[in-house]
Amino acid sequence: GAVVSQHPSWVICKSGTSVKIECRSLDFQATTMFWYRQFPKQSLMLMATSNEGSKATYEQGVEKDKFLINHASLTLSTLTVTSAHPEDSSFYICSAGPRDRTYEQYFGPGTRLTVT
Amino acid sequence: GIQVEQSPPDLILQEGANSTLRCNFSDSVNNLQWFHQNPWGQLINLFYIPSGTKQNGRLSATTVATERYSLLYISSSQTTDSGVYFCAVERGGGADGLTFGKGTHLIIQP
Repeated sequence: GAVVSQHPSWVICKSGTSVKIECRSLDFQATTMFWYRQFPKQSLMLMATSNEGSKATYEQGVEKDKFLINHASLTLSTLTVTSAHPEDSSFYICSAGPRDRTYEQYFGPGTRLTVT
Repeated sequence: GIQVEQSPPDLILQEGANSTLRCNFSDSVNNLQWFHQNPWGQLINLFYIPSGTKQNGRLSATTVATERYSLLYISSSQTTDSGVYFCAVERGGGADGLTFGKGTHLIIQP
């Protein structure tokens, strides 16, 4: 199967600072990657679609100025949480899928963000 | 948007038992996947099954697209099967992202 990595695995930051999370497809190219958020004991919610070479598209209710997405290459997308607040504490997970196969998505291991 | 409902929400079984998890969805889909989320949060791909039947060891899945449901079967359960099982669907052709159900929390007791 395809492999997706994320970095860092976990991060603690102070309120008001910014945090960058990286998502990489290790053995395939991905023109599209997806970012999800999962609160404790809840399901995953799609936040945004990251498109290589163009602007990201955000789901309703997700602040695009707060969650900056950059898809600079066919193997890397980054999510920057700007001016983080405690309510942004969550588990952030990315996914991607090889476009030469089916529409199957593979997920990174996730990044646990805690804002103090 | 599309709605995904999973049942049961919680399931407690003894080791060795069989189980069936259900996923209903509200519209036609091009992608349906089953995942197992391990205690560290990693989503493990179990099946990509927008239609038909597949088997992988003790696990099998069936999707009846015309009736908008999918079933995940786990036979001879082991304690390592414990965790949350998610069904997720996508209507489009790989550009829309997945819509997840709320999951089934499975506990296998020794």
